[in-house]
Amino acid sequence: SQQGEEDPQALSIQEGENATMNCSYKTSINNLQWYRQNSGRGLVHLILIRSNEREKHSGRLRVTLDTSKKSSSLLITASRAADTASYFCATAVFMEYGNKLVFGAGTILRVKS
Amino acid sequence: DGGITQSPKYLFRKEGQNVTLSCEQNLNHDAMYWYRQDPGQGLRLIYYSQIVNDFQKGDIAEGYSVSREKKESFPLTVTSAQKNPTAFYLCASSRDRDRAKNIQYFGAGTRLSVL
Repeated sequence: SQQGEEDPQALSIQEGENATMNCSYKTSINNLQWYRQNSGRGLVHLILIRSNEREKHSGRLRVTLDTSKKSSSLLITASRAADTASYFCATAVFMEYGNKLVFGAGTILRVKS
Repeated sequence: DGGITQSPKYLFRKEGQNVTLSCEQNLNHDAMYWYRQDPGQGLRLIYYSQIVNDFQKGDIAEGYSVSREKKESFPLTVTSAQKNPTAFYLCASSRDRDRAKNIQYFGAGTRLSVL
């Protein structure tokens, strides 16, 4: 089963508004990452937050991590039509033969102009 | 122009046929990954490779095979044993020495359909 679960599944907002997406996971992690995917394209890394960090900023992005609740949130401020995409959280899990990312099902964000 | 190149962009498979998806990277990354994405779902790991001539099964390896003969190449073969191959396939790579991060860089994907 998927490690991460995003909420909501879909979000529609007006340009200029803020968008908040949430992610919950099940096991211990080394870090949590957020990726963006435009329709029919590959994923692009947005931001990484380590397990010992609580909040991180990058431009209009703000990520929080609560390891006690096994949850994270991604906030996009002052959204633009170009932010329309699917957003995925991914948890980094170390394994015997390397490490892997476990992805959630994603949140589809639509920003209306 | 550095990055990950996947080809073809679209691929059609006939019943009983094996098809191979290409993935090439010029980022000098050690680790490479193959994912499958179904509509409305996240990515599921098929195979991954941390080093040349070595690879490991992911969560849904049945019906797939890979090779890693060169650092820059990690082709995926969808065999006839994969009964439901229609999906979007994504290849990714990461720098092994960023093991504590494992930030992955993705290709543009190959969409496979069954005729």
